[in-house]
Amino acid sequence: QVQLVQSGAEVKKPGASVKVSCKASGYTFTSYGISWVRQAPGQGLEWMGWISAYNGNTNYAQKLQGRVTMTTDTSTSTAYMELRSLRSDDTAVYYCARVDFITMVQGATAWFDPWGQGTLVTVSS
Amino acid sequence: SYVLTQPPSVSVAPGKTARITCGGNNIGSKSVHWYQQKPGQAPVLVIYYDSDRPSGIPERFSGSNSGNTATLTISRVEAGDEADYYCQVWDSSSDHAVFGGGTQLTVL
Repeated sequence: QVQLVQSGAEVKKPGASVKVSCKASGYTFTSYGISWVRQAPGQGLEWMGWISAYNGNTNYAQKLQGRVTMTTDTSTSTAYMELRSLRSDDTAVYYCARVDFITMVQGATAWFDPWGQGTLVTVSS
Repeated sequence: SYVLTQPPSVSVAPGKTARITCGGNNIGSKSVHWYQQKPGQAPVLVIYYDSDRPSGIPERFSGSNSGNTATLTISRVEAGDEADYYCQVWDSSSDHAVFGGGTQLTVL
């Protein structure tokens, strides 16, 4: 079955970087994109960006531009998300999700299915 | 940027019908997707393309979208439906995904 398995929890100090991995299985990795979504404690879902596993093209949320980098390794069907210059408000559960992206005459749409199990990143001094 | 508005909470008695709304400017012109998130778990897609159900999602879950409001309808609500629900669209002008703020569904 289609599955995304993420790396384990991380504790980082302010100013450090974190890199979270997301290993895909059960489908052709390069036929879909991978999106990253985070959720701060008690808060809603925040879209961070996405990467095409086909050609490596990326699109990041404006709020995170310059601090986030998304990459893929097609040889291992693994996606990565690196966030730099960590602050306390980056403390969150980080999810990867497979992106179903459809281009229609009236415009594009995309949804996320399935999701990884989540990775808790805690930023604390 | 595009904004989606959801009520923070909805309550419903078991066996009744729950309706969770998602408001946005001319949202009827976009495709809306819905996710269910239970405490401590990752979100799960329950509706895509306004009204399509992924395999494994009960027929009790349905969706509609028109004008400025999209609606997730859960019929014959069960205790196990208690969760947070999020709507989501793709904003083609920015190539960004947008989530609503989420609605906590309480089964009384």
